[in-house]
Amino acid sequence: SYVLTQPPSVSVAPGQTARITCGGDNIGSKSVHWYQQKPGQAPVLVYDDNDRPSGIPERFSGSNSGNTATLTISRVEAGDEADYYCQVWDSSSDHVVFGGGTKLTVL
Amino acid sequence: QVQLQESGPGLVKPSQTLSLICTVFGGSISSDGYYWSWIRQHPGKGLEWIGYIYYSGSTYYNPSLKSRVTISVDTSKRQFSLKLSSVTAADTAVYYCARGPRPSQGWFDPWGQGTLVTVSS
Repeated sequence: SYVLTQPPSVSVAPGQTARITCGGDNIGSKSVHWYQQKPGQAPVLVYDDNDRPSGIPERFSGSNSGNTATLTISRVEAGDEADYYCQVWDSSSDHVVFGGGTKLTVL
Repeated sequence: QVQLQESGPGLVKPSQTLSLICTVFGGSISSDGYYWSWIRQHPGKGLEWIGYIYYSGSTYYNPSLKSRVTISVDTSKRQFSLKLSSVTAADTAVYYCARGPRPSQGWFDPWGQGTLVTVSS
C-alpha cells in the first residue's frame, strides 16, 4: 500500500516561512491535499492540490514534484500552530492515504 | 453551505458493533458526484481513512478494516452510516464523517465536528 511520510514536527519563528514536507513514491504524479487540525477541532482543508479553498489565506501554498510534496506557510502567525496532514486519493486502488501528520510549533 | 453532523453512542462494549450516523445539512447527498466518507483518529494519533460510499451504494473500504466495516446510505434522510463490528479497545477514537472525495477532486471538505467513541466494558 502507498505510504506518505511526514516529519513529526517543524518549528518556526513568527514571520518566518514554514515548510512541511510529505514524502511518497513518485508523489509528484499524484494530487496531494493538505489539512490543518487545531486541538479539539476537526481537520480543515487548507490546500487542495492546486489551490486554496475559499477563506484560506494566501500565505498557504503547495508544491509537488518527484518524491516530495510541500506545504509552505509564509509569514507564519501564532494562529498557524497546529497539526498538518497530507493526503492522496489513489485512483488506481480507490484507496485514501493520510500522512502521519506534522506538528507545527510557532516559537 | 454543506454541513455534516455525526451522531451515535459514545460508549460501546467490546465485541459489539459500533454504529454511527452522519447527517448532511444544506445540500443533497446524491448530487454533484461526491462520495461520502468516514475517517477516524485514535487519541493523540493521526488520521485513518475508514471508507466511503456513493449515493448509489457503491462502497470502498480501507483494506485493514474491510472485514468489519459496513457503510450504507439513506438518500431520503440525507444520511450515511458506519457500522464497525467486533470492536475492541483499539477502536476507541474520534470518528469523523466528511464529504468527498470525487473524481478529479480527491479531498475531504467539509468535515463533521467528530464524535468520540470509547470501547469499554
